[in-house]
Amino acid sequence: DAGVIQSPRHEVTEMGQEVTLRCKPISGHNSLFWYRQTMMRGLELLIYFNNNVPIDDSGMPEDRFSAKMPNASFSTLKIQPSEPRDSAVYFCASSSRFGNYGYTFGSGTRLTVV
Amino acid sequence: GDSVTQMEGPVTLSEEAFLTINCTYTATGYPSLFWYVQYPGEGLQLLLKATKADDKGSNKGFEATYRKETTSFHLEKGSVQVSDSAVYFCALTDSSYKLIFGSGTRLLVRP
Repeated sequence: DAGVIQSPRHEVTEMGQEVTLRCKPISGHNSLFWYRQTMMRGLELLIYFNNNVPIDDSGMPEDRFSAKMPNASFSTLKIQPSEPRDSAVYFCASSSRFGNYGYTFGSGTRLTVV
Repeated sequence: GDSVTQMEGPVTLSEEAFLTINCTYTATGYPSLFWYVQYPGEGLQLLLKATKADDKGSNKGFEATYRKETTSFHLEKGSVQVSDSAVYFCALTDSSYKLIFGSGTRLLVRP
């Protein structure tokens, strides 16, 4: 299995632009999670899906952030408009059996908003 | 809510030294406990896990025992290597199966 695949690995964009991050979970995993990592705040859970349905989006910072999971093999996290404070590494993770066996993380997308 | 507290770093050790990274948790139910490792520029990798009290998770020479009486899950390794230098995260899954992380502990192993 190729693991959790995220794209792009790096993204540099100007303030105000729309940014879309993509994630392909491991086949057969029914839960998907989006995390953000910064030096100041550590790892923050933004949103998670179970069976393609958003379960908890309380970690989404504000309305500029949105996430979708149109099918079991694909999810997106969109920021519109982007701001410099959104600069971070965004990780996607997937799991099966409700996460009791751990999550598998992707390599992350390093986002820089200038 | 559920939470994880781990010792602040950085932890600096010489090669072949004994490693302990402390982790304690607060949870209302019976969480599963995990240690993840993050190497520079990479994502998090599951290092080991324990799903019930007194379970011992182990992998690559690292061990941690689920201690319900002390609500702890300390990470240990008998002899660290330079290649173990990374950030280590303790975590638990709460009743809604979200993974809650500690703040991470950076380990630096010197030759």
